[in-house]
Amino acid sequence: QQQVKQSPQSLIVQKGGISIINCAYENTAFDYFPWYQQFPGKGPALLIAIRPDVSEKKEGRFTISFNKSAKQFSLHIMDSQPGDSATYFCAASTGTDKLIFGTGTRLQVFP
Amino acid sequence: EAGVTQSPTHLIKTRGQQATLRCSPISGHTSVYWYQQALGLGLQFLLWYDEGEERNRGNFPPRFSGRQFPNYSSELNVNALELEDSALYLCASMWVAYNEQFFGPGTRLTVL
Repeated sequence: QQQVKQSPQSLIVQKGGISIINCAYENTAFDYFPWYQQFPGKGPALLIAIRPDVSEKKEGRFTISFNKSAKQFSLHIMDSQPGDSATYFCAASTGTDKLIFGTGTRLQVFP
Repeated sequence: EAGVTQSPTHLIKTRGQQATLRCSPISGHTSVYWYQQALGLGLQFLLWYDEGEERNRGNFPPRFSGRQFPNYSSELNVNALELEDSALYLCASMWVAYNEQFFGPGTRLTVL
């Protein structure tokens, strides 16, 4: 019940395309859903986050869509760029407790 | 504003030794979290400290321990190192009012 399932494991997108990464959870007590971006050799960087009281949040080219009834949330990267090539992790937590991470998606954006 | 800092960057130990990893949170953050990122296993929660107290612990053996100091910096100790402890150890800090965890660059621990 504590798991967060993430798909796909890897994603290849053309420059300018839309990258979509999906996550699903079981624990309805989760109330915070962040996305992190990690480059090789670096720590994860907080990209964007959402709480269950909203269905969508947009920051620049990054959008989180949240479906509370389906217990799913997704990250959309519009106009994907080669510099977006990284590993993306979804996560979930309850209050200020630990983050439960998905298994990660390796995104490659080709020019 | 300085981010989360961790030291050392790299640490090489042999099996059976002890390792000590350090973390300095962002100024004003009182909570520190430790995660292990082993190859192929994703990010696994280790420990959470807040206001000097251990608040939660992940599914790791007791040889993984730590503490938080009065200045909110933290230390992770791993005793009796095993080969499978080789991983990137990440520290994150948070100001509880915002519930956002910010990660440091990690310490790469290699156990030979």
